Amino acid sequence: EVQLVESGGGLVKPGGSLRLSCAASGFTLSYYNMNWVRQAPGKGLQWVSYISTSSDYIYYADSAKGRFTISRDNAKNSLYLQMNGLRAEDTALYYCARSGYCSGSSCYSDYWGQGTLVTVSS
Amino acid sequence: EIVMTQSPATLSVSPGETATLSCRASQSVSSNLAWYQQKPGQAPRLLIYGASTRATGIPARFSGSGSGTEFTLTISSLQSEDFAVYSCQHYNYWPPTTFGQGTKVEI
Repeated sequence: EVQLVESGGGLVKPGGSLRLSCAASGFTLSYYNMNWVRQAPGKGLQWVSYISTSSDYIYYADSAKGRFTISRDNAKNSLYLQMNGLRAEDTALYYCARSGYCSGSSCYSDYWGQGTLVTVSS
Repeated sequence: EIVMTQSPATLSVSPGETATLSCRASQSVSSNLAWYQQKPGQAPRLLIYGASTRATGIPARFSGSGSGTEFTLTISSLQSEDFAVYSCQHYNYWPPTTFGQGTKVEI
């Protein structure tokens, strides 16, 4: 059974940092491109970042560029998102999502984790 | 950025009826369109990709159609477990992927 389990969320002050992790099981992570997608309270889904199977290609939404860093460790079956310079507008539930087909860096996601909540507030 | 506009925002239907949800892209996305179902407190679940291909395990009462800029998700014979929020997503090559704001299907 495919499982994605996110962790690392929490309450952080503006300007602070968090590192999100996503533990994958039930499939071989190294075969799949991966994404982080977030959902602010009461809002729609927003793509954050993409990483290819071997980390050769990495892309970010404009809102994440220069502040967030996506990475993966296929040997540990894990995906990460380092978030620096956090702002109130980054408050959201962050999902780790396995890519199905990708057209460039744009992918649909066939499996999603349950999400980890990031709250940025003073 | 491609803007994905879903309508209506809320759709009130009764069990057994058919629900028709619309998704419009601000520019052509070919058939690179996916639909997701999301229930409160749950992660999104992939229903449809390629505009019309059902994902693994999705019942046949869910069907998708359209291409270019106009897409439709049809849910036939609505069951109690189908009441949820449905979102569309384009995954065309460029600009990067975006999601619609969702349609809530309620009783």
